[in-house]
Amino acid sequence: QLQLQESGPGLVKPSETLSLTCTVSGGSISSSSYYWGWIRQPPGKGLEWIGSIYYSGSTYYNPSLKSRVTISVDTSKNQFSLKLSSVTAADTAVYYCARHAAAGPARTDYWGQGTLVTVSS
Amino acid sequence: DIQMTQSPSSLSASVGDRVTITCRASQSISSYLNWYQQKPGKAPKLLIYAASSLQSGVPSRFSGSGSGTDFTLTISSLQPEDFATYYCQQSYSTPGITFGQGTRLEIK
Repeated sequence: QLQLQESGPGLVKPSETLSLTCTVSGGSISSSSYYWGWIRQPPGKGLEWIGSIYYSGSTYYNPSLKSRVTISVDTSKNQFSLKLSSVTAADTAVYYCARHAAAGPARTDYWGQGTLVTVSS
Repeated sequence: DIQMTQSPSSLSASVGDRVTITCRASQSISSYLNWYQQKPGKAPKLLIYAASSLQSGVPSRFSGSGSGTDFTLTISSLQPEDFATYYCQQSYSTPGITFGQGTRLEIK
């Protein structure tokens, strides 16, 4: 059974960089059939796609966040990571890592449990 | 960008009711539409993909329909465990995906 687990600091200071890692177990991140992505959800609000990465390293970002986002992959560790720079209180959210099927019906079929990141001094 | 608009934003219903939630895309997305259920403190769960295909393990009281720009999620007979927030998601521009704003389904 595929599992995704987010890890990283739960508190980040304004103007600093938020860094999270997603560890994938029960399957290979190097599959050509999937993208690996980050989605966030501010408290009490809806879901926002941040960006995704293919195992080859190709990246795709939400235009509204593109200038501040970097997603990378480490296939040797079966992990992918998110960096979001110059954070403000508006970046406080639960951050989910997830798998998107790229082939066949495109869908987000596996999610991590989510990790709350609070931006505060 | 493809915008997704759900209606209603919230809905009150009783156990046993038939409930329909709609989702409209700002442009045609063929059948690249998925539905998710989210309960408080949990990650979203895939219910329906490709507009009308039931994800494995999801009860058959859930169904989806539509194509192009207009889609619906129907729960044929509400169960207590179905009270949650529901999101539509367009996957037409995968890996760039967008979600509707959500529909909160509450107990009447």
